[in-house]
Amino acid sequence: SQLAEENLWALSVHEGESVTVNCSYKTSITALQWYRQKSGEGPAQLILIRSNEREKRNGRLRATLDTSSQSSSLSITATRCEDTAVYFCATDQGGRALIFGTGTTVSVSP
Amino acid sequence: EAGVTQSPRYAVLQEGQAVSFWCDPISGHDTLYWYQQPRDQGPQLLVYFRDEAVIDNSQLPSDRFSAVRPKGTNSTLKIQSAKQGDTATYLCASSQGVGTEVFFGKGTRLTVV
Repeated sequence: SQLAEENLWALSVHEGESVTVNCSYKTSITALQWYRQKSGEGPAQLILIRSNEREKRNGRLRATLDTSSQSSSLSITATRCEDTAVYFCATDQGGRALIFGTGTTVSVSP
Repeated sequence: EAGVTQSPRYAVLQEGQAVSFWCDPISGHDTLYWYQQPRDQGPQLLVYFRDEAVIDNSQLPSDRFSAVRPKGTNSTLKIQSAKQGDTATYLCASSQGVGTEVFFGKGTRLTVV
C-alpha cells in the first residue's frame, strides 16, 4: 500500500479560483515536500515543510502539515492555466530517499 | 546552472531486449536517485547512491536491472531482457544529500512491446 497518497485523483477549476490538494501519509516523517509535474517533464519541488512546522508559504502556494492526523494540504490561490499539472506529496522519513504519493491532476481552464 | 540531464528521451523495445539509460546529475550533488514512474502513478524509487556507493537498492529488480555510478558523478541504469511491465518513465534525480530538494531530469519514456 502507498505510504503517502493524495486524496483525490483529479480536480478541475477555472482561472482565478483557488484549489486545494490533500495528502495523507502512514509513517513518521521529518519533512514533507510538495512537487509539481507538468506534461513531459520531471517533478519540480514547490514547498518543503518540516515536521515542526504547521504552515509554509511560497507566493500563491500555501502548504499545511498536521502530524497528529498525518495529513498535509497544498493550496493554490488565483490559479492560472500554467498551474495545470500533477501535484505530488513526498514524505521524508529522515536519512532515506523521498517516497512519493500517487498524485492529483489539477486542471485549470480559462 | 545546468539541470539533471538524461538520455535517451524515448526508447521502444521488444520484450527480451536490453537498454541502458544515462544520467548526468547537477554538479556537486553527491546523491543520485533512479525512480520508475508508471503511467498515471507517482515516482517509485528503484535505487539511490551517495557518491559511488549504493545506499538502497531494495526496490531494484536485481535479476534484470542494474545501476552503477562508478566515479560518483554520472550514472547508468540498465535493463536486461525487458518485459512489457517495465513500460514506464525512468527518472533520474540528484540532491545535496537526502532531506534536501531533489532535482529531476525530464526522464526516459520506455515502451516495451
